Amino acid sequence: DAGVIQSPRHEVTEMGQEVTLRCKPISGHNSLFWYRQTMMRGLELLIYFNNNVPIDDSGMPEDRFSAKMPNASFSTLKIQPSEPRDSAVYFCASSPYDRDFYQPQHFGDGTRLSIL
Amino acid sequence: AQSVAQPEDQVNVAEGNPLTVKCTYSVSGNPYLFWYVQYPNRGLQFLLKYITGDNLVKGSYGFEAEFNKSQTSFHLKKPSALVSDSALYFCAVRDRAPYNTDKLIFGTGTRLQVFP
Repeated sequence: DAGVIQSPRHEVTEMGQEVTLRCKPISGHNSLFWYRQTMMRGLELLIYFNNNVPIDDSGMPEDRFSAKMPNASFSTLKIQPSEPRDSAVYFCASSPYDRDFYQPQHFGDGTRLSIL
Repeated sequence: AQSVAQPEDQVNVAEGNPLTVKCTYSVSGNPYLFWYVQYPNRGLQFLLKYITGDNLVKGSYGFEAEFNKSQTSFHLKKPSALVSDSALYFCAVRDRAPYNTDKLIFGTGTRLQVFP
């Protein structure tokens, strides 16, 4: 089991640039989550998908953020244009479909994003 | 709205002593509760969950948690702490409003420091 794979692990870029974060969920998992973690705000859920469909994007901070899941094995989180306040660690997590909705989420090791 | 509270930012304990990391919850209906651990530069890892049944739940790495409905608490415990248990611990509850989802609502985290 390869786990949830995120790339890149680290990203440093200048403000105004487009940033794309990538995630490969665990095979067979039907739910995918994007989180952001900062010292000030803790762990925030940005968006989550079920069967490739966005279910709740209420945590997406603003229109500069967008997320897609074109198929069951790949998702992207894009920031355009990026700003210094977007600097954070971004996590992707996946979980298997369960009608009773209590399967644990499996997290990737995150992308540490620094916007200069 | 569902929520969890972790009243302690940090817990310090000597190696070999018992440890407790506190969590209280506020939910409508029956709670689905979780504990996760985060080691430096890693994603969150699932430790244990309470769905129904025994109030004492056993999980990974010798951890257990006690569900107390009257006190609305779900404290994490371990009989004998190890230095390697030093990490950030998150309590979480499954979001259930306005419909059953597999979103988790995370607490702010408690940093556990185990001293040799």
